[in-house]
Amino acid sequence: QSVLTQPPSASGTPGQRVTISCSGSSSNIGSNTVNWFQQLPGTAPKLLIYTYNQRPSGVPDRFSGSKSGTSASLAISGLQSEDEADYYCAAWDDSLNGVVFGGGTKLTVL
Amino acid sequence: EVQLVESGGGLVKPGGSLRLSCAASGFTFSSYNMNWVRQTPGKGLEWVSSISSRSIYIYYADSVKGRFTVSRDNAKSSLFLQMNSLRAEDTAVYYCARDLWQPESYWGQGTLVTVSS
Repeated sequence: QSVLTQPPSASGTPGQRVTISCSGSSSNIGSNTVNWFQQLPGTAPKLLIYTYNQRPSGVPDRFSGSKSGTSASLAISGLQSEDEADYYCAAWDDSLNGVVFGGGTKLTVL
Repeated sequence: EVQLVESGGGLVKPGGSLRLSCAASGFTFSSYNMNWVRQTPGKGLEWVSSISSRSIYIYYADSVKGRFTVSRDNAKSSLFLQMNSLRAEDTAVYYCARDLWQPESYWGQGTLVTVSS
């Protein structure tokens, strides 16, 4: 059972907009930054979004992040087949004094 | 080019020990906080440990506290994870990751640790 809660799966067709949620608490998302990581099949995770809604260089602007209270969301617009991957949210937890990850969401492009 | 190369994984019996290494290159290793994150085959990510750039701040997940020890050698651009009293539930791919929070975050390809009799 992960401290951050994500839906196990999401799907969409090419060109659609998909949103993945990440629910936490006041000790993690509510008081600390949230990052999103993308893990393509058979590869190591890669930073996708940092500090809620910032993109590292090279990440397309189709990817965006947001936060409201103790929840965060990742939105992918103009869905492409190469977006098929696992997506994880992460935050520092002040109560646990450590990093917490969501359980991951497997995105399928239909 | 930034590179993080993990090594030291393998098959070990329950109760045994392993020492993982992560060799860093292509950046100033001593300027970055470093992390170990593991992933059980087919499952999600689990943070294991973090160490600040000068080893002043060190944190562990409750699941490994007292059994695992993280360290680094900035002169050799290397990160280590000493794992003792290994359990079956420690079986995972262990990733070395540079700074999880900044745009410069970068992960190695991982090394597989299997704990089984």
